[in-house]
Amino acid sequence: GAGVSQSPRYKVAKRGQDVALRCDPISGHVSLFWYQQALGQGPEFLTYFQNEAQLDKSGLPSDRFFAERPEGSVSTLKIQRTQQEDSAVYLCASSPTGTGSPYEQYFGPGTRLTVT
Amino acid sequence: EDQVTQSPEALRLQEGESSSLNCSYTVSGLRGLFWYRQDPGKGPEFLFTLYSAGEEKEKERLKATLTKKESFLHITAPKPEDSATYLCAVRSLMDSNYQLIWGAGTKLIIKP
Repeated sequence: GAGVSQSPRYKVAKRGQDVALRCDPISGHVSLFWYQQALGQGPEFLTYFQNEAQLDKSGLPSDRFFAERPEGSVSTLKIQRTQQEDSAVYLCASSPTGTGSPYEQYFGPGTRLTVT
Repeated sequence: EDQVTQSPEALRLQEGESSSLNCSYTVSGLRGLFWYRQDPGKGPEFLFTLYSAGEEKEKERLKATLTKKESFLHITAPKPEDSATYLCAVRSLMDSNYQLIWGAGTKLIIKP
C-alpha cells in the first residue's frame, strides 16, 4: 500500500518568508509525528498528533512553528518568518496505534528546507 | 538524562566482511528499542523493535540483540546494498508515552 508522502520534497525560502510543509500519513494511522533532522544527526522530535488532537508540541523550537491535523489525516507544518537556522530536513512519520505497542513509526521521504 | 549513543560514527567494510554496530542507551526504564535504516535523501525505514534484554530479531543479513545497557546490530556477509546510515532509538517508560530518543546513527559503507 501507499506509504507516507510529503510535499514539497525541496523548498527554498528567503529569510522572513512563511512556508507550509504537507504530510499525508498512511491511511488509518492514528499517530502522526513531525521531526527535524540536521545533517549527520538523528531526528529531533517536534510535535505529536493522535488523530486530530495535538498531544505534544514541546519540541517546536519557537512560536514561529505551528502544526495542525484538522481532520485526523493530512497534517501541515507551518513555519513563519523563516530563519537560516530553520534549514533542515523535516520528516513526518505515522504509526497505526496511539501510545500502546506495537509502536513502529513509518517515515515519509522528508522535505529539505533551505533558508537563504 | 535519557541518552542514546551510537558507535562507531562511520564504518567501512569490504563486501562479505561481517561486523557489528553498537547502540548504548541510558533511560529510566526501557519500553522499547528500535533500529531504523536511512538511505540518503530518504526517511528512516523501520527494521526491528526489541523490548527486553536477551531478545533477538533477524532480517536477512541483519540481527539485532539487546542487553540492559546496549543493543548490537550484527551484519553478516554484507553486500554493497546494505550501505546506509543505521539509526537506533529508544522509548523510555518515564518520558512521554510517544517520544523516541534517537542516536546520531552509524554510517555504514560496504565496498564491493
